[in-house]
Amino acid sequence: AQTVTQSQPEMSVQEAETVTLSCTYDTSESDYYLFWYKQPPSRQMILVIRQEAYKQQNATENRFSVNFQKAAKSFSLKISDSQLGDAAMYFCAYRSGPSIGNEKLTFGTGTRLTIIP
Amino acid sequence: NAGVTQTPKFQVLKTGQSMTLQCAQDMNHNSMYWYRQDPGMGLRLIYYSASEGTTDKGEVPNGYNVSRLNKREFSLRLESAAPSQTSVYFCASSEWGRQETQYFGPGTRLLVL
Repeated sequence: AQTVTQSQPEMSVQEAETVTLSCTYDTSESDYYLFWYKQPPSRQMILVIRQEAYKQQNATENRFSVNFQKAAKSFSLKISDSQLGDAAMYFCAYRSGPSIGNEKLTFGTGTRLTIIP
Repeated sequence: NAGVTQTPKFQVLKTGQSMTLQCAQDMNHNSMYWYRQDPGMGLRLIYYSASEGTTDKGEVPNGYNVSRLNKREFSLRLESAAPSQTSVYFCASSEWGRQETQYFGPGTRLLVL
């Protein structure tokens, strides 16, 4: 079974600065997907960014980017120019690649990000 | 377009009571999921349904039953609630396929006394 580990329960960053959240995972599969979800105080789960394991290029979405190291099984999230609205719990998640109808996610335990004005 | 909806938003139960959490999606997705979220544990999969008429156990299925009533609706039932089932429950849906993303409902907060 796959496992996802987020070793930083809490992080804080000054507004406008850059912060990196860590995620490692364990799998024997070669084909899979990785995600970062944001959960603000409203509890809504919001997809931030996704990475396909077969792609060497790191995914980016505006101020959010990832550092995907497949051999090291590491998938970190970098938030640039942090804004107050970025304050939330961030969850790393894993999904197996090829199985149709088996798109279930395995989540890490989350990192609570605080933005300091 | 409402996406994924869940009812109720909040519920208090006494130990031993039963209840059903409702979930519906209007995106015509084939797959639906139920997760629970506990402090310090992240989200864990309870059950999922890859299509109408099929259901499969996830990581933490004990104490729960599910019904995929039709393509839109996927309910989660607690037959005899226990304090250990106090949690926030999320329903999600996705289409089949490599590129597809899961969409989550707003969650149901359940307190079992």
